[in-house]
Amino acid sequence: EVQLMESGGGLVQPGGSLRLSCAASGFSFSSYWMSWVRQTPGKGLEWVARIKQDGSENFSADSVKGRFTISRDNVQNSLYLQMNSLRVDDTAVYYCARDFGRLGLDYWGQGVLVTVSS
Amino acid sequence: QSALTQPASVSGSPGQSITISCTATNIDVGGYHYVSWYQQHPGKAPKFLISDVSDRPSEISNRFSASKSGNTASLTISGLQAEDEADYYCSSYITGSTRLFGGGTKVTVL
Repeated sequence: EVQLMESGGGLVQPGGSLRLSCAASGFSFSSYWMSWVRQTPGKGLEWVARIKQDGSENFSADSVKGRFTISRDNVQNSLYLQMNSLRVDDTAVYYCARDFGRLGLDYWGQGVLVTVSS
Repeated sequence: QSALTQPASVSGSPGQSITISCTATNIDVGGYHYVSWYQQHPGKAPKFLISDVSDRPSEISNRFSASKSGNTASLTISGLQAEDEADYYCSSYITGSTRLFGGGTKVTVL
């Protein structure tokens, strides 16, 4: 059974940093692109970033470019999102998802809440 | 600015069919762009439903179908049921590049 479990969320002040983790199990983690998607409370989904199987390539949304960094550890079967220079509008539930390319984001974690507030 | 536009809400009675549209604007389609659909119930994580280039996962009802014509993709729910009441999102993927989500459509079963 494919499972994705996010952790590392919490309350952080504007300008601060936070690192999210996503533990993957039940599939060959190193064979798939992975993505982060976020959802502001009560609003829609926003794709944040995605990373290639071996970590050699990644893409991110303009709204987080230069502040957020996606990475992965294929030995630990883990995906990460390093978030720096956090802003109030980064407050959201962050989901990790298995990224099956043209077929879509086929498995999602349960999400972790990040609150940026003073 | 690239965007995917969905209607804010769609409603229907049990047993009816409804269609949710997803129109792409200013998306660089130098590569083909693929559209996938997601269902989200309140307080739950999104769930993958279907894409325009694949069959549904086995656990997804065959009442859900997807199509695309030009820059507009559509999700049709046939035989609407109470459990279909949820938010639905389309997402576009440009080969080897980024993803984009539509604003979401709230489906209400009357």
